[in-house]
Amino acid sequence: AQTVTQSQPEMSVQEAETVTLSCTYDTSENNYYLFWYKQPPSRQMILVIRQEAYKQQNATENRFSVNFQKAAKSFSLKISDSQLGDTAMYFCAFMKYASGTYKYIFGTGTRLKVLA
Amino acid sequence: DAGITQSPRYKITETGRQVTLMCHQTWSHSYMFWYRQDLGHGLRLIYYSAAADITDKGEVPDGYVVSRSKTENFPLTLESATRSQTSVYFCASSESNLQGREQYFGPGTRLTVT
Repeated sequence: AQTVTQSQPEMSVQEAETVTLSCTYDTSENNYYLFWYKQPPSRQMILVIRQEAYKQQNATENRFSVNFQKAAKSFSLKISDSQLGDTAMYFCAFMKYASGTYKYIFGTGTRLKVLA
Repeated sequence: DAGITQSPRYKITETGRQVTLMCHQTWSHSYMFWYRQDLGHGLRLIYYSAAADITDKGEVPDGYVVSRSKTENFPLTLESATRSQTSVYFCASSESNLQGREQYFGPGTRLTVT
C-alpha cells in the first residue's frame, strides 16, 4: 500500500529566507504523480506544484521548487524568499490511477510559519 | 459564482442523527471527491465519483453514503452520525483525465457530533 510521510509537523522560517519541507513516500509503482498542496488559515486548499514521476527534471513554480529523488522516494519542497503569505499547512500527496483503481494519498502535513 | 462550494460551512448534530453535507461545482468536472481531515491523519478519502451515477469507495467509507445524480452535485450523507465522525470535510473536483490532474478543493465543512 502506498504511504506518504511528512516527518516535520511544524516549521518556521524568517521572512525572505529559504525553507525546505520533507516528504517521503512508499510505493511499488513506477508511474505516478506527486503534489504539494497549501492550506492557508482560511482553509481552502490549493495546488502549489506537481511532479510527474517519469520526468527527471525537478518541477519549479516561481519561488517553489521540488527536489524529486525517485530512487530514494523523496519529494521535498523548497520555498525561496519566504513571504508572510506562505504561512500555511503544506500537504504532500501521491496520486496513481490505473485499471479502475484510484489512489490519492495525503501526508499528515507540515505547518509552516513565516516570521516577520 | 464559479468554483466549488460546500454547505453548510459549520454543523453541529447529535449522535444518531442523519446529516447531509452538500457539494456543488460549476466546472463540469467529471471527478468529485470527499475527504475528511483529522489532526494527525492529514486528508483521507471517503468516496469519489468518476461521473454521474458512478461512485466508488475510498480509504474510509464506513458510515457514509454518497450519490451523484447530477454532474455538478455530490452530497455526502452520514446516516447515523457518531462522535468519531466529528471532523472537517472537504469536497474536491478534478477534470476527466486524472493523470496528473490537480484537485480543486471546496472551503470545507466543520462537523461536530455531540
